[in-house]
Amino acid sequence: AQSVTQPDIHITVSEGASLELRCNYSYGATPYLFWYVQSPGQGLQLLLKYFSGDTLVQGIKGFEAEFKRSQSSFNLRKPSVHWSDAAEYFCAVGGLIQGAQKLVFGQGTRLTINP
Amino acid sequence: GAGVSQSPSNKVTEKGKDVELRCDPISGHTALYWYRQSLGQGLEFLIYFQGNSAPDKSGLPSDRFSAERTGGSVSTLTIQRTQQEDSAVYLCASSLLGVEQYFGPGTRLTVT
Repeated sequence: AQSVTQPDIHITVSEGASLELRCNYSYGATPYLFWYVQSPGQGLQLLLKYFSGDTLVQGIKGFEAEFKRSQSSFNLRKPSVHWSDAAEYFCAVGGLIQGAQKLVFGQGTRLTINP
Repeated sequence: GAGVSQSPSNKVTEKGKDVELRCDPISGHTALYWYRQSLGQGLEFLIYFQGNSAPDKSGLPSDRFSAERTGGSVSTLTIQRTQQEDSAVYLCASSLLGVEQYFGPGTRLTVT
């Protein structure tokens, strides 16, 4: 069955430090992969997506992610975090899943930024 | 342009009452989705509309849940005889081509 695992429930980093959020997926074909960010009380904002082609994708707010088929991973990175990056981050796999066009989400990683 | 909008933003209802949640998708988007976000279950797919095709209801948790989409645009999610376990944030998303989805701010439903 299709699934997404985000191993880290909560991560704390200092402002200005680098960030990597992990995401592993299980999907039978070439996946569509997404990272979304959710600030408190807000909906989900699309950060970046991978459909095909270059395995390193750039997104908004200085984020990037790398698709590694051999590791079934799609980790999110940012070289220097800002206090405004504190939020919850969701990795998702999309496409035709169990007969439905839908997204399957990981459980999310809550990011806290220390000043 | 305008994004996905949802109303109300918050809804408190008594157990056993019916509620209706509304979603206005991005203009021109043919696909519309409903998801539920709760502490215990994370983000769950509920239902998917694509154009004039029959909706995919495979994610609806019970027959108390239903949704319709009028004129290929606005959608309403209805929960009948609400239960406390229905308390969650209900998110709507729309998509132009059916994969990349854009989400609304959600409706927080509290059943007392």
